[in-house]
Amino acid sequence: SQQGEEDPQALSIQEGENATMNCSYKTSINNLQWYRQNSGRGLVHLILIRSNEREKHSGRLRVTLDTSKKSSSLLITASRAADTASYFCATELGSYNTDKLIFGTGTRLQVFP
Amino acid sequence: DAGVIQSPRHEVTEMGQEVTLRCKPISGHNSLFWYRQTMMRGLELLIYFNNNVPIDDSGMPEDRFSAKMPNASFSTLKIQPSEPRDSAVYFCASSLHREDQPQHFGDGTRLSIL
Repeated sequence: SQQGEEDPQALSIQEGENATMNCSYKTSINNLQWYRQNSGRGLVHLILIRSNEREKHSGRLRVTLDTSKKSSSLLITASRAADTASYFCATELGSYNTDKLIFGTGTRLQVFP
Repeated sequence: DAGVIQSPRHEVTEMGQEVTLRCKPISGHNSLFWYRQTMMRGLELLIYFNNNVPIDDSGMPEDRFSAKMPNASFSTLKIQPSEPRDSAVYFCASSLHREDQPQHFGDGTRLSIL
C-alpha cells in the first residue's frame, strides 16, 4: 500500500489565494520531500525536510513536518496559474533504505486566473 | 546541464511485442530508479540501481519485466512479451547516493499496448 496518503485529492482556488496540501505516512522516515508534476511531464523536486526539522521555507513554499502525527503539509502562498499541477509527497525510509522514496497519491491543484 | 533523458517519449505497440525503454541519467549520479505511473496505482517504484548494481527489484511486477544498467550512463527497462495492462507512463529518475538527496526525473515514456 502507499506509504503516503494525501488530501485533498483535488483542490481548486483563485490566483492569489493560498493552497494547503496534507500528507500522512505510516513508518519512521529519514526525510520527507515534495514534488510537483505538470501535465505530461516528469516530477520536479520542490523541497526536502529532514525528520529532525519541523518547518522549512523556500520562496512561496512552506513545509511543516510533525513526526509524532506522521504528517506533513505543503503551503503555497499567493498562488499563480502556473502553480497548476499535481503535488506529491515522498518519504525516504530508515537508513538501510537510503535512496528509496515512497510516493503518496498526490493532490491535483487547479489555480484559476 | 542536461537532465535525465528518456526515449522514446511515446510508444504504441501490439500485445506480445517486446518493448525497450531507455534512460540516460544525469552525469555523476550513481543511483537510478524506474517507476511506473497509472491512474489506478499511482507512482510505483519498479527497480533501483546503485553504482550500476540492482539493489531492490521487489516492485518489478513479473518475469516479463527486466532492467539492466550496463554502465553509469545508460539503463534499459524491457517488457517481453508486452500486455495491455502494461500500458502506463514509465519514468526514470537519478540521484546521488547519499541521504537527503532529491531525485531528478525524466519526462517519461508513455506506453500503450494494444
